[in-house]
Amino acid sequence: EAAVTQSPRNKVTVTGGNVTLSCRQTNSHNYMYWYRQDTGHGLRLIHYSYGAGNLQIGDVPDGYKATRTTQEDFFLLLELASPSQTSLYFCASSDAGTGGHYEQYFGPGTRLTVL
Amino acid sequence: GDSVTQTEGLVTVTEGLPVKLNCTYQTTYLTIAFFWYVQYLNEAPQVLLRSSTDNKRTEHQGFHATLHKSSSSFHLQKSSAQLSDSALYYCALSGNTRKLIFGLGTTLQVQP
Repeated sequence: EAAVTQSPRNKVTVTGGNVTLSCRQTNSHNYMYWYRQDTGHGLRLIHYSYGAGNLQIGDVPDGYKATRTTQEDFFLLLELASPSQTSLYFCASSDAGTGGHYEQYFGPGTRLTVL
Repeated sequence: GDSVTQTEGLVTVTEGLPVKLNCTYQTTYLTIAFFWYVQYLNEAPQVLLRSSTDNKRTEHQGFHATLHKSSSSFHLQKSSAQLSDSALYYCALSGNTRKLIFGLGTTLQVQP
């Protein structure tokens, strides 16, 4: 069973603050992803990575940095947080499944509030 | 570009009645697979169904879906909705990249 954990589970910060969200997966997957989830917008991909040291730009990358330090660990960084980044953030991991299609396994989410 | 459309933001159904959540897509990928993800309140999205075979019905937990490439659809159906089915449902397309293309999601509300 895939295992993806996230920390913290809840975070409150102020505008202009620095925030780091952490994600760890223990299923030896190569791919990891960061999404944000907002009502009316669904799940939107911020960044993703296919291995340690690699970073790929997602669909809504502005205001976010990310770093993949090991196969297990993927971090999302908000260096100057803004209220528009208040959201529920999910991390996911995947590897090639049946037929080569990449089913993603999600972590429990981090709720971020920027005041 | 590639896209997934879920036409209903909210579907409300009475317990015991059938339910259908719509999912259509546009893609240039030649090889595709589809997923239905379900997200219960305060939980993470998880896979409910998956399929990559045209015209083959796939079932899980009482739900079923059939990929129809001729109509570009992968609708989710259940013959008898239960209160516990109330959740947010996402349809997602997988092509030959490492990204999933998600629809905006449909909230299913099952009422007594």
